[in-house]
Amino acid sequence: GAGVSQSPSNKVTEKGKDVELRCDPISGHTALYWYRQRLGQGLEFLIYFQGNSAPDKSGLPSDRFSAERTGESVSTLTIQRTQQEDSAVYLCASSPTHSPLHFGNGTRLTVT
Amino acid sequence: AQKITQTQPGMFVQEKEAVTLDCTYDTSDPSYGLFWYKQPSSGEMIFLIYQGSYDQQNATEGRYSLNFQKARKSANLVISASQLGDSAMYFCAMRELIRTGANSKLTFGKGITLSVRP
Repeated sequence: GAGVSQSPSNKVTEKGKDVELRCDPISGHTALYWYRQRLGQGLEFLIYFQGNSAPDKSGLPSDRFSAERTGESVSTLTIQRTQQEDSAVYLCASSPTHSPLHFGNGTRLTVT
Repeated sequence: AQKITQTQPGMFVQEKEAVTLDCTYDTSDPSYGLFWYKQPSSGEMIFLIYQGSYDQQNATEGRYSLNFQKARKSANLVISASQLGDSAMYFCAMRELIRTGANSKLTFGKGITLSVRP
């Protein structure tokens, strides 16, 4: 594919359930990033991967949040025991070294 | 720690006029990159322009130019000849440039809403 692909595009879940968000980066991009954007707000950094390792996971809000990346490709962001404050758009981006980030269209998560 | 500040309230500009969107930053890193992204109401993030801290000249990309003043730690975006399609949220961002070639996180400002009037 030409761009970063995220799935699902929309997810509605009940409070307390676990959710998995998927990101397929652009082929060959070494770096992969997850951001969260609440309605009308800026982008909040969550975690980034260099290859399959995560040098910076400082933005994960709590231990309910985790992410992994395999094969220097697909990444999954998992939110356990979702809370209403987790409702947001989750954006994934990828990039080669020192290049601008290419963003996906995001997953809109709504926790009811 | 890196910090990006975008404090302008919603901005309005008449079609075909130029507009400047302000961005100031704070970092202790000697080498860094500055970025501007556009986010229309559709939600996609569109890369506009990049400025490296050691670049001698201000970056330009079509109707976009970056007014980089390193001593003032400002990186304002100038949009010339505004178009209706420029109405969007605009984010300034920065990242440290690591010599080893590794990447680092991109830190974003809170954004500025620009509305272009016909």
